[in-house]
Amino acid sequence: NAGVMQNPRHLVRRRGQEARLRCSPMKGHSHVYWYRQLPEEGLKFMVYLQKENIIDESGMPKERFSAEFPKEGPSILRIQQVVRGDSAAYFCASSPPPGNEQYFGPGTRLTVT
Amino acid sequence: AQTVTQSQPEMSVQEAETVTLSCTYDTSESNYYLFWYKQPPSRQMILVIRQEAYKQQNATENRFSVNFQKAAKSFSLKISDSQLGDTAMYFCAFMKLNSGGGADGLTFGKGTHLIIQP
Repeated sequence: NAGVMQNPRHLVRRRGQEARLRCSPMKGHSHVYWYRQLPEEGLKFMVYLQKENIIDESGMPKERFSAEFPKEGPSILRIQQVVRGDSAAYFCASSPPPGNEQYFGPGTRLTVT
Repeated sequence: AQTVTQSQPEMSVQEAETVTLSCTYDTSESNYYLFWYKQPPSRQMILVIRQEAYKQQNATENRFSVNFQKAAKSFSLKISDSQLGDTAMYFCAFMKLNSGGGADGLTFGKGTHLIIQP
């Protein structure tokens, strides 16, 4: 059973560009969580999605950030008009019915130049 | 809102020793899980151990065990017979369960950098 897949692993964007981060959950998992990790910090929750629904986006900045988890295909975290402060590692986790463990992907390291 | 506090930014022990990492949390919830995750230099987040709040028995996974003190809101991790491969960042995390059957995202502490010396 393949683990949680994230791509790309590394992404470099210039200020003002858009960043698209993709996450494919483990087989059979229908719940996806996105987290951001700034240097020397713990992970911070951003958004929780089920297929075609955003359940909780309380941790996501109101502007420039959006997330989706369509019926088919991976979950996408989109950051528009990136700024230097968006540079971080972005992790995706998936779980079967919530209440179980969350299994993490390897992360996408975003660098904004 | 929940908070998780790890008061030890860094710890260093000799190989084969036992080490305990501390974690306290603050919540008014009664239905939750607690976790310890390990993040080695590869940055992959690896689940080490899980504790359901309703269970009084402390969780154990091979060399890893927890001391869960619910009243004190304390959740420490003990690593026995430490190995070089245990060198990593260790994060304590809290997950609230919702009445509708769902779960919130994890709330993490800032982490403890554990170094195992040969």
